[in-house]
Amino acid sequence: DSGVTQTPKHLITATGQRVTLRCSPRSGDLSVYWYQQSLDQGLQFLIQYYNGEERAKGNILERFSAQQFPDLHSELNLSSLELGDSALYFCASSADGDSYNEQFFGPGTRLTVL
Amino acid sequence: GESVGLHLPTLSVQEGDNSIINCAYSNSASDYFIWYKQESGKGPQFIIDIRSNMDKRQGQRVTVLLNKTVKHLSLQIAATQPGDSAVYFCAENKRTRAGTASKLTFGTGTRLQVTL
Repeated sequence: DSGVTQTPKHLITATGQRVTLRCSPRSGDLSVYWYQQSLDQGLQFLIQYYNGEERAKGNILERFSAQQFPDLHSELNLSSLELGDSALYFCASSADGDSYNEQFFGPGTRLTVL
Repeated sequence: GESVGLHLPTLSVQEGDNSIINCAYSNSASDYFIWYKQESGKGPQFIIDIRSNMDKRQGQRVTVLLNKTVKHLSLQIAATQPGDSAVYFCAENKRTRAGTASKLTFGTGTRLQVTL
């Protein structure tokens, strides 16, 4: 158990809908990262937040957004969902925003768009 | 663009033998490399890391080798056990222009199958 929690574990929805994925980092960690893992793309970095502020951005679509709240939990919002958005979404946390810090991954949320 | 790739998608190894998983990276600006293990139904788990100022680092039963000349990274697992069966990802990390941001780029993964 990495100490990172993600909810829900599974999510099934329809195209065009909007969903919110939630992540709670390890106690004391200030940085949260979101990744998408699909069969044809592997693990793709989406976005990083550090202490409530966006720190780095990866291959995140404009239909997707994220935020980190004062209690340091984070939410990833996915809107206007398409079939291709079906994937595993992982959250990771690290002690701070430094690139050399180990990232601890949560168990993931499996999103299925029908 | 940046890319991190793996030479072999699946590696089958007999229990007790040593495993070697290879990875090629293309971004010479990367200064930090990590190996992750992902078991079925779980998130990636950190195994070992290495900075670009090193060429070898050892952990418990694992060794990572970095060859910057040919941009090659390898993970060696000694005395492979059934519990080592998983997908292994290499990842490269380079500081963004902000200086402290973190952006991991993962390879496509190699599945390690340990046979009895």
